[in-house]
Amino acid sequence: QVQLQESGPGLVKSLETLSLTCTVSAYSISNGFYWGWIRQPPGKGLEWIGSISHSGSTLYNPTLKSRVTISVDTSKNQFSLKLGSVTAADTAVYYCARMTPYSNYLDYWGQGTLVTVSS
Amino acid sequence: QSVLTQPPSASGTPGQRVTISCSGSSSNIGSNPVDWYHQLPGTAPKLLIYSNHQRPSGVPDRFSGSKSGTSASLAISGLQSEDEADYYCAAWDDSLNAVVFGGGTKLTVL
Repeated sequence: QVQLQESGPGLVKSLETLSLTCTVSAYSISNGFYWGWIRQPPGKGLEWIGSISHSGSTLYNPTLKSRVTISVDTSKNQFSLKLGSVTAADTAVYYCARMTPYSNYLDYWGQGTLVTVSS
Repeated sequence: QSVLTQPPSASGTPGQRVTISCSGSSSNIGSNPVDWYHQLPGTAPKLLIYSNHQRPSGVPDRFSGSKSGTSASLAISGLQSEDEADYYCAAWDDSLNAVVFGGGTKLTVL
């Protein structure tokens, strides 16, 4: 069973950079698929942030593209998210997930991690 | 404002059949497969239906999906109390080059 686990600071100061890492187990990132980030503000719906392939090809939500960088480290079987210049609107539960290319569905998800942006 | 439109709420009694709609456009539902996720309170979303009507292993056949034109539907038959959750539709949008979600539908089992 593929498992994903998010890690990173739960509190980020306004205008700084949010950094999260997703560690994948029971599946090698190098074997394929895309690996993505999704967020959910408290009490609100889901928003796709972006995804990366095992070879480093990226897809970003155009509304966040200017502030987002997703990278992959196949040696550690991890992928990471950086979101710059954060504001209170970026406070959310951040999920990592495996994404099937072309069909684009998200079949395995991490448990999520709450990131709060403080002023 | 979500790209895909879902009713904010739905309800039914145990044993009933309920449907949840998801409306989009030619750039998303009209040209790409639709997926459905459900989310129990305080937990991560889980894939429920993919590629319009396919069920992942372990999902009961009480759950079914369909698509017609720029709209899709999720049907739940034999409603059970544990089906009470938030349901989200999603699809790739060719204009935005992004995965887009519906705003979510909160299903209440009365």
